[in-house]
Amino acid sequence: AQKITQTQPGMFVQEKEAVTLDCTYDTSDQSYGLFWYKQPSSGEMIFLIYQGSYDEQNATEGRYSLNFQKARKSANLVISASQLGDSAMYFCAMGNYGGATNKLIFGTGTLLAVQP
Amino acid sequence: DSGVTQTPKHLITATGQRVTLRCSPRSGDLSVYWYQQSLDQGLQFLIQYYNGEERAKGNILERFSAQQFPDLHSELNLSSLELGDSALYFCASSSGHGAGQYFGPGTRLLVL
Repeated sequence: AQKITQTQPGMFVQEKEAVTLDCTYDTSDQSYGLFWYKQPSSGEMIFLIYQGSYDEQNATEGRYSLNFQKARKSANLVISASQLGDSAMYFCAMGNYGGATNKLIFGTGTLLAVQP
Repeated sequence: DSGVTQTPKHLITATGQRVTLRCSPRSGDLSVYWYQQSLDQGLQFLIQYYNGEERAKGNILERFSAQQFPDLHSELNLSSLELGDSALYFCASSSGHGAGQYFGPGTRLLVL
């Protein structure tokens, strides 16, 4: 069975600093995808970044990058130059490679608070 | 804006009642997924439809059912509602190619 673990219930970061949100996963599949979503207090789920298990380069999307360490089964999200608007809940999720045709398994989330 | 729409945004109802949640996927997306987010269970996959056919089932109660119509919109029906059904219900869609599922704004259901 697939499982996502996020061990940080909450984190603080100063504005303009970088922050790393941890995510470890467990799966026996060779082909899988890892995702990060942001959920602000308004409730919507915003897709941030995707990493496929066969992708050799770490994914980046603007200020978001995914530190993918396959041997350690970790997929940490790095947010550079934090902004006040980054304060939100962040969820790590696993799906199949490509992510489009299968359900997502979510972690419990990390609540990030960006301080001025 | 993800392009996925959900109605209604909020729903307040009583125990024992039945409600219908509606979702319109992004233009061109054939897959629709329903998820439930609650404080005690977190985010859980309920069910997936692909081009009108049920594709996968997760932790969906027998009191819940869903369908996807020819125009690809989907409805999630919740019946004999209990207090514990109070949650945020998300619909997501994907094209079947490339990465990512795109979520709608959710329907917040409160059962009193």
